[in-house]
Amino acid sequence: NAGVTQTPKFRVLKTGQSMTLLCAQDMNHEYMYWYRQDPGMGLRLIHYSVGEGTTAKGEVPDGYNVSRLKKQNFLLGLESAAPSQTSVYFCASSYSRTSPGTDTQYFGPGTRLTVL
Amino acid sequence: DAKTTQPNSMESNEEEPVHLPCNHSTISGTDYIHWYRQLPSQGPEYVIHGLTSNVNNRMASLAIAEDRKSSTLILHRATLRDAAVYYCILDMEYGNKLVFGAGTILRVKS
Repeated sequence: NAGVTQTPKFRVLKTGQSMTLLCAQDMNHEYMYWYRQDPGMGLRLIHYSVGEGTTAKGEVPDGYNVSRLKKQNFLLGLESAAPSQTSVYFCASSYSRTSPGTDTQYFGPGTRLTVL
Repeated sequence: DAKTTQPNSMESNEEEPVHLPCNHSTISGTDYIHWYRQLPSQGPEYVIHGLTSNVNNRMASLAIAEDRKSSTLILHRATLRDAAVYYCILDMEYGNKLVFGAGTILRVKS
């Protein structure tokens, strides 16, 4: 099992450019998440998905869009990148929430994005 | 959302036990207490979780106060590889969302 993988690992964008970050998981997990982490801070939830074809907003969704067309993939898009979106982006997945509070999130290695 | 309070940083000697505290005075009866850690340049990884009773696993132990307003993550013998940021998180029932604070930076000295 590769677990949770993220593509790319690093990216530099100019202000106004667009890009898509790809997250893939091979654990047949229902739930997937996108977080961002700014220097010296904890992770903040951007968007999440509770199943194929569904998405929902997290704590900091502005400036981002997501899609979950396949169960194993969760895409994060930046339509017009801004310097404030310079951050490390983490994807995570979890099996389900049928047992409340007992689920575990598995995280990818992160994508370091710099917007100039 | 219920919040947690953790010390900014702690230091330990290698091979000694480490007790990482967490205060969560506004915890509700259905909130689970989760601990994750983040090694340098990596994504967070799950450590342990509990509701009311103390819990043990191969990585650590979790001691939960009787009133559930605080908890302590115990690493029984710290190694250099345990140097990381440790996050104490309240996971609300069916919340589907983990709210990360700044965590505690654990430094381990050889």
